Amino acid sequence: GAVVSQHPSWVICKSGTSVKIECRSLDFQATTMFWYRQFPKQSLMLMATSNEGSKATYEQGVEKDKFLINHASLTLSTLTVTSAHPEDSSFYICSASFWGGSNYGYTFGSGTRLTVV
Amino acid sequence: AQTVTQSQPEMSVQEAETVTLSCTYDTSESDYYLFWYKQPPSRQMILVIRQEAYKQQNATENRFSVNFQKAAKSFSLKISDSQLGDAAMYFCATLNSNYQLIWGAGTKLIIKP
Repeated sequence: GAVVSQHPSWVICKSGTSVKIECRSLDFQATTMFWYRQFPKQSLMLMATSNEGSKATYEQGVEKDKFLINHASLTLSTLTVTSAHPEDSSFYICSASFWGGSNYGYTFGSGTRLTVV
Repeated sequence: AQTVTQSQPEMSVQEAETVTLSCTYDTSESDYYLFWYKQPPSRQMILVIRQEAYKQQNATENRFSVNFQKAAKSFSLKISDSQLGDAAMYFCATLNSNYQLIWGAGTKLIIKP
């Protein structure tokens, strides 16, 4: 249980275009979802926290106009990288929290490798 | 603010042997949670084990167990009978007051056949 599906797994886009990454909770309702960015050989860097029906909360230094997050339903959150540039190339991971008594934790999507050329 | 420190950038162990990964943390929360996640080459984050701070008993999951020393703010992970499939990055994490995961820098575990 508590499975999160993330698509696409990898994407190549041209500089200046926008890319949307989807994160779906398959078997539970994800009230809160998290978006991370991970650079090679580094830990996860939290970009933003999104709550269903509310505006996302962005971490300091993350451009909210560049990284648009929408969490319109309890099963879907999207991250749109707008006007992408080569420096946006990275590995993006979504996560959702689940709390159900003794079964709780944070489950992760499989990640999206974005390459901007 | 919460912090998590993993002082071992890389560890190696012979297959079938036991290895311990270190993690120390700092938190102002009176009740908190601790996690170990594994990230294999596929980069899929996988929960290894979790611990509630109010529980004195160390959590165990098959070959994985923790040594939770609350006073010392230490949360080490022991992997017994290491297998080739255990090769991965291991991240220790705790939660802040906003229920966001605070991550350590990670430890790369190499399994020698």
